[in-house]
Amino acid sequence: GQSLEQPSEVTAVEGAIVQINCTYQTSGFYGLSWYQQHDGGAPTFLSYNALDGLEETGRFSSFLSRSDSYGYLLLQELQMKDSASYFCAAMNSGYSTLTFGKGTMLLVSP
Amino acid sequence: NAGVTQTPKFQVLKTGQSMTLQCAQDMNHNSMYWYRQDPGMGLRLIYYSASEGTTDKGEVPNGYNVSRLNKREFSLRLESAAPSQTSVYFCASSHIYEQYFGPGTRLTVT
Repeated sequence: GQSLEQPSEVTAVEGAIVQINCTYQTSGFYGLSWYQQHDGGAPTFLSYNALDGLEETGRFSSFLSRSDSYGYLLLQELQMKDSASYFCAAMNSGYSTLTFGKGTMLLVSP
Repeated sequence: NAGVTQTPKFQVLKTGQSMTLQCAQDMNHNSMYWYRQDPGMGLRLIYYSASEGTTDKGEVPNGYNVSRLNKREFSLRLESAAPSQTSVYFCASSHIYEQYFGPGTRLTVT
């Protein structure tokens, strides 16, 4: 099985950069995903790292280090609309299922 | 495309009542999932279906049953609801590593 640890809450100001860390303990790990969820709405996919290194998508980047069982989501040029919960999730073998962390609530203030 | 749809959006049940949560996707995805989300617990997998005609247990299957009616539809049944099943239920479908979530069903069991 998998277990993932991430901070429960992070605060930042508009325009700043914030990093949300995720550590995992795994068996059958395929890769690390990140999802965003606003106010209990539907989670939406942000990124997936299958290989070590940095993946960049606009203002968001995600990093994975398999040797350290660690990843992070980097959000740049923060906007108020980025206030949401962010979940890391481990992809299990064969792309069959995801195991989610408990989520990090990001609060962006003016 | 509607994506992933769920019905109902809200439901209140009394202990011992039964109900079925409906989920449909129009993206021609093979894999579908049911999750529950409780405060501070992230998303936990109840059941999943890797393809039409197959279903498998996830992390928290007790008290639930599922049916993969066809490629589009995947339903979740509570045979005898309990207060511990009060939660928000999300259905999802996936294309390779990306999962697409429905809007959720908010269920309260009294």
